[in-house]
Amino acid sequence: SQTIHQWPATLVQPVGSPLSLECTVEGTSNPNLYWYRQAAGRGLQLLFYSVGIGQISSEVPQNLSASRPQDRQFILSSKKLLLSDSGFYLCAWNTGSNQPQHFGDGTRLSIL
Amino acid sequence: AQSVSQHNHHVILSEAASLELGCNYSYGGTVNLFWYVQYPGQHLQLLLKYFSEDPLVKGIKGFEAEFIKSKFSFNLRKPSVQWSDTAEYFCAVNAYSGAGSYQLTFGKGTKLSVIP
Repeated sequence: SQTIHQWPATLVQPVGSPLSLECTVEGTSNPNLYWYRQAAGRGLQLLFYSVGIGQISSEVPQNLSASRPQDRQFILSSKKLLLSDSGFYLCAWNTGSNQPQHFGDGTRLSIL
Repeated sequence: AQSVSQHNHHVILSEAASLELGCNYSYGGTVNLFWYVQYPGQHLQLLLKYFSEDPLVKGIKGFEAEFIKSKFSFNLRKPSVQWSDTAEYFCAVNAYSGAGSYQLTFGKGTKLSVIP
């Protein structure tokens, strides 16, 4: 069966430090991969999605970037974190853009 | 661009009460529709989905949703809620954006608190 792993579960970082959040999917090939930010009372905001290795689409201009170095690996990064980057980040995957997305457990990022 | 509206931010019900959570979307083309649930401390899970079949969709745990195309609505219902249904519920609309691609948009979510 397919599974999705995100880590770390929680992260506390100082302003100006770099960021790397990792997401991996097992049990499927060539998935679509997504990064979201979830804010209380504001639903899920799509940040990036990828339909293949090295293919990244950005939905919202921001201080973050994404990369897909391997078929089932999706990384969310920043060179210098801002206070406004605090939030709950979710990774998701599906087998086609019309299919339901399956979500990881999320990473709670706190910037000090 | 499509948008999704969930009318209630927080709903409080007693056990055994009936539930209906509203969801409306703005998009005139082909859509697939989903309800997701997030239990406290857990990840988002798919509750049910609509893919152009019977407009009344049955999901897990006794939930159902009805797609009314003329009203652009996809309301979630359950005849009798339980304390374990306490969670946040998200409506999501997957709209066809051309070239075989769909774009998923989430509503802001509705928190359901069920009082024993």
